[in-house]
Amino acid sequence: QVQLQESGPGLVKSSETLSLTCTVSGGSITTHYWTWIRQPPGKGLEWIGYIYYSGSNNYSPSLKSRATISLDTSKNQVSLKLSSVTTADTAVYYCARGTSGWSTLYFFYMDVWGEGTTVTVS
Amino acid sequence: SSELTQDPAVSVALGQTVRITCRGDSLRDYYASWYHHKPGQPPLLVIYGKHNRPSGIPDRFSGSSSGNTASLTITGAQAEDEADFYCVSRDSSARLLLFGGGTKLTVL
Repeated sequence: QVQLQESGPGLVKSSETLSLTCTVSGGSITTHYWTWIRQPPGKGLEWIGYIYYSGSNNYSPSLKSRATISLDTSKNQVSLKLSSVTTADTAVYYCARGTSGWSTLYFFYMDVWGEGTTVTVS
Repeated sequence: SSELTQDPAVSVALGQTVRITCRGDSLRDYYASWYHHKPGQPPLLVIYGKHNRPSGIPDRFSGSSSGNTASLTITGAQAEDEADFYCVSRDSSARLLLFGGGTKLTVL
């Protein structure tokens, strides 16, 4: 059974870079999409970006200039870096495994999620 | 457009049926996936594809899609269903992931 665990500093200073790691156990990161999502306090879920196992990635237009997602296949980890953070980046950050395909219409879903990690920007 | 629109809040009496909808142009090309999200817990996938439920999801959850609208139906809502529900789809370019704003379900 695949499990995801996010880790990283719970407190980051404004203007610095937020760095989080998602450790994947019970499966390999050399399949599927690996996605980062966040939820600011009192707000809805927000997509940050994803990376395909091949290494290609896409980001939310609102975060594209600051976000970088990468894979470390030797450690079976997915990382997120978000530069020049502000208090608006305070949120619970989740990583999730994504699957895409086609069946009459295309589909994309995220079936395995980490527990999330809270990051506060001060 | 590259947005998914959900009603902010819906309520249902215990044991009754409720439909939560999601609208967006991308839904003409992509099935929505639906997530049940309670505070302090990670989101839980409840519906994906045409009308698939992951293992362990009760069959009172069902999904449908028509044109630019996807729907999640709960037949016989239970107290534990009370949560925020989000629809998710890729945009039609297949590059971006879109999240609906979420629907807060209250079970009365």
